[in-house]
Amino acid sequence: EVQLVQSGAEVKKPGESLKISCKGNGYTFATQWIGWVRQMPGKGLEWIGSIYPGDSDTRYNPSLQGHITISADKSTNTAYLQSSSLKPSDTAIYFCARGNGGYDSLHYWGQGTLVSVST
Amino acid sequence: QSALTQPPSVSGSPGRSVTISCTGSSSDVGYYDRVSWYQQPPRTAPKLLIYEVSNRPSGVPDRFSASKSGNTASLTISGLQAEDEADYYCSAYSNINSVLFGGGTKLTVL
Repeated sequence: EVQLVQSGAEVKKPGESLKISCKGNGYTFATQWIGWVRQMPGKGLEWIGSIYPGDSDTRYNPSLQGHITISADKSTNTAYLQSSSLKPSDTAIYFCARGNGGYDSLHYWGQGTLVSVST
Repeated sequence: QSALTQPPSVSGSPGRSVTISCTGSSSDVGYYDRVSWYQQPPRTAPKLLIYEVSNRPSGVPDRFSASKSGNTASLTISGLQAEDEADYYCSAYSNINSVLFGGGTKLTVL
């Protein structure tokens, strides 16, 4: 069974950095794209970017590039989302999700990680 | 890049059908057959309903169908059930190697 298990909720202050994780189980991690999607409180879904763990080929939402870094470690079947200089507007639920041959359709989803940024 | 345009809300009675539209541009919905639809009940992760315009993953009932014409994609839910009440999102691949989501549509089953 394919599972994506995300790290727990985070509480941060503005200006701090963040690294959350997403561990893939039940399939060959290196061979499927992993995407990150965020959902701000009461808002819709926003694609952040995707990575192909096999060769670390990464695609980013142009409006977020430079603020966020996506990486993956094939040896531990884990993908990461990093952000520096957090702002209160980064408060959101962050989902990881797996593609199925590409990165545009997300077939399996993690449970989500709530990130709160506040003074 | 702009998000795809969906109606904020739709509603229908049990047993009836509803259609949700998703309008993009000739750079995304209109150019690639890579439109997906997701269902998100309250306080849960999204679930894939449709990929590549009209394909259903295994386990998704055939009450859910989708199509595309020009720059607009559509999701139709037939035989509405109370459990279908959720937010629905479309997404599409765009010509800058990016993925766009729609703003979401809240479905109310009357």
